[in-house]
Formats: sequence, structure tokens, C-alpha cells
Amino acid sequence: SAVISQKPSRDICQRGTSLTIQCQVDSQVTMMFWYRQQPGQSLTLIATANQGSEATYESGFVIDKFPISRPNLTFSTLTVSNMSPEDSSIYLCSVTGTGVEGWDYGYTFGSGTRLTVV
Amino acid sequence: AQKVTQAQTEISVVEKEDVTLDCVYETRDTTYYLFWYKQPPSGELVFLIRRNSFDEQNEISGRYSWNFQKSTSSFNFTITASQVVDSAVYFCALSPDNFGNEKLTFGTGTRLTIIP
Repeated sequence: SAVISQKPSRDICQRGTSLTIQCQVDSQVTMMFWYRQQPGQSLTLIATANQGSEATYESGFVIDKFPISRPNLTFSTLTVSNMSPEDSSIYLCSVTGTGVEGWDYGYTFGSGTRLTVV
Repeated sequence: AQKVTQAQTEISVVEKEDVTLDCVYETRDTTYYLFWYKQPPSGELVFLIRRNSFDEQNEISGRYSWNFQKSTSSFNFTITASQVVDSAVYFCALSPDNFGNEKLTFGTGTRLTIIP
């Protein structure tokens, strides 16, 4: 399966600022997803990052707040804009891809970015 | 719409006891995939298993075993002879069988605490 490098692993940010999270994969992948996990909660999909086009956002998430880029098949960024304490969460990148024998039906996750907004 | 229910919010057992984590799912898809992930306190998601809806065979991997019953839409996870290192939050998840082109739907998770 793919290996994901997600950066930063954690950060403490001031209210009103923005943070960009990077997701780098060691191989080309078909799909890249961004999830949010609020404290003590489950994972919720923010958006699907589309290569070369605008991301597809889930209900409740908007591009102005969570702009996403995916310039190629191995890299994506998620920006959390104009942060408030309610944005304090773990943000995770997830990918699926095609292996030697075709799609391996796996979803691999990055190690996550633990964000605290003060 | 897809839905995953993990009714057990928190479970505590004494070390070496067996424990079963329940997962019930809802989907209108004919074929789908089910997953279990472990999330230790460090926060990363550790993949444990995926199961295709065509395959109802139970699976055993060391101290871990999974019981998939399509008739009751359940995919339960049992840890035998639990250890302190098993303490974590466990998530059950579901996806359509669409070559990984669609999102995972997660349950709310079960926090498992193993008491030494």
C-alpha cells in the first residue's frame, strides 16, 4: 500500500490565522480524501481532492474555509482558514490507489495533523 | 445512504479477558467493503482488516478475529486474551464497492480500555 507523509504532525495556531497541511504520497494514487476528527468524535469527510480541478466538498464544508489543492497524483494540501477554537481537531489525509494487481481496496491514512487553535 | 453503528461507546476489561466490539451497518449497495481501524492515543489510524461483502468467512489473525454476518448486517471484532497495548479507539467503516473511488463512512468508534 502507499506510504503517506503528512505535515505538520501538530501545531498550535492563533485565532484568525490559517494553516496549510501537506499530504505527500510515495506513489501515484487515484483518490485523495481529507477527513476531520473533532475531539472525541468520529471521522468526517471534508472533501475529495481532485487532481487538476476543484475539490468536491461534503455538506457543511466550503471552499472558502477549507481550500484544497491537488496539483498532481501524489500531493495535496488542505488549508484551514480564519481559524477559530472550533477548528481544533485532527485532520487526516487518506488515499486509495492501484497496485500491481489492480485496486487493492485499501484506504491508507496519513499520521494526522493535530491542530489546536487558541 | 450508508450508516455504521457502533453502539458501545466505551468498554473496559481486565487484561487477558476476551472482548467483542460490535458493528452494525446499513447500505443499499449490493456489494461493499467493511473495515476495522485502530486509533491509539498517538492519533494515527491503523488498518486492521477489510472484508468484501461477497466473503462471509470469518477471519482470524493472531488474537484478533472477525465475524461477518450479512443476514444481520454485522461485522463484529473480537480480541482474545486482551493486552494493555490493545487499549485504543476502534472504528468500523463501510465503503461502496467502487474501486476506492468513494469515501469511507465511519462509525462513532468504541474506546477500549484494558486494565492491567
